Amino acid sequence: SQQGEEDPQALSIQEGENATMNCSYKTSINNLQWYRQNSGRGLVHLILIRSNEREKHSGRLRVTLDTSKKSSSLLITASRAADTASYFCATDPNTGGFKTIFGAGTRLFVKA
Amino acid sequence: NAGVTQTPKFRVLKTGQSMTLLCAQDMNHEYMYWYRQDPGMGLRLIHYSVGEGTTAKGEVPDGYNVSRLKKQNFLLGLESAAPSQTSVYFCASSYRADRGEGAFFGQGTRLTVV
Repeated sequence: SQQGEEDPQALSIQEGENATMNCSYKTSINNLQWYRQNSGRGLVHLILIRSNEREKHSGRLRVTLDTSKKSSSLLITASRAADTASYFCATDPNTGGFKTIFGAGTRLFVKA
Repeated sequence: NAGVTQTPKFRVLKTGQSMTLLCAQDMNHEYMYWYRQDPGMGLRLIHYSVGEGTTAKGEVPDGYNVSRLKKQNFLLGLESAAPSQTSVYFCASSYRADRGEGAFFGQGTRLTVV
């Protein structure tokens, strides 16, 4: 089964609004990563947060990690139509392996 | 710098046919991965490699084989294609996990088995 699960499955907002997506996972992790996928394209790495970090910023992106709740959130501020995409979280489980396991993604639609 | 290149981009196979998908990366990454993506399922790991000459099974390895004879290439083989293998296949590569960097993905191969 998937290690990561995103919530909500789909999100529709107006341009300029903030978008928040959540990810929950099941086992201990080394790090958690967020990726974006535009329709029909490959995934693009957005940001990585290590298990000993609680918050990280990159431009309009803000990621939080709560290892006690095994959850993470991705906030996109001042969203743009170009942010329309699917967003996935991926976890590197702390099991001695090097697999990155993805959730099913959140589909974000930003209306202009 | 091409990144991760997958060939072919599209392919239609008949049930029982075989094919090989090629993935090439020019970033000197140690790790390479093959995923499949089906609607509503996210990405599922098929096989991965942590270095030249090594491979390991992922979440859904049945029906697939892989080889990593050179560090920059990771091949995914389907010996006898089945309709259930209709999917979009993505290759990815990354540095070692302790580098703390994400993976780079190819543009995908859309495979249809009829």
